[in-house]
Amino acid sequence: DVKVTQSSRYLVKRTGEKVFLECVQDMDHENMFWYRQDPGLGLRLIYFSYDVKMKEKGDIPEGYSVSREKKERFSLILESASTNQTSMYLCASSFSAGMGTNEKLFFGSGTQLSVL
Amino acid sequence: KNQVEQSPQSLIILEGKNCTLQCNYTVSPFSNLRWYKQDTGRGPVSLTIMTFSENTKSNGRYTATLDADTKQSSLHITASQLSDSASYICVPGANTGGFKTIFGAGTRLFVKA
Repeated sequence: DVKVTQSSRYLVKRTGEKVFLECVQDMDHENMFWYRQDPGLGLRLIYFSYDVKMKEKGDIPEGYSVSREKKERFSLILESASTNQTSMYLCASSFSAGMGTNEKLFFGSGTQLSVL
Repeated sequence: KNQVEQSPQSLIILEGKNCTLQCNYTVSPFSNLRWYKQDTGRGPVSLTIMTFSENTKSNGRYTATLDADTKQSSLHITASQLSDSASYICVPGANTGGFKTIFGAGTRLFVKA
């Protein structure tokens, strides 16, 4: 089975701190994604990457950056955390057979981030 | 504007009963539709996917239906079990060749003993 591992289940940070969320997948997937999930809203895409060192903005990239130095690892960075970034963050990966749509995503268990 | 609406927002049923969850979407050009199950404290897991030419797809006690003309999908759960308690998320795919998939907000299902 595909395994997507997020380094922390819960994080509490202070406003202004730099925050790193790490994600590792073990199935050699080309695509990796970062979403945030808020109550009453569908998952919203922050950033995605389709190859090492490649990244594309999603729907809500403001206040976030990403890094993909190795194929298996995709990091989400909050340069200066703010209270409105309190949320559940989900990492996902998928195998790419081309520029397909709605490919099966494999998700990590999520990181609940609280910014105080 | 591409949108996904799921109903009801939440649902409580007794163990052993059936239920149906609804999804209405306005995604164009439509390609396929996927349902995910998300257990509390976990990431979503794919249940089914249907292309625009498919009307129904089953995965055990889960049966998804699709009407591409009316842009509606439903997920029917038969003989519910306590382990079915979860959120169910509808995800219609647009045939744009991109990665920006739209997720519904989900229906939160509670199965009581």
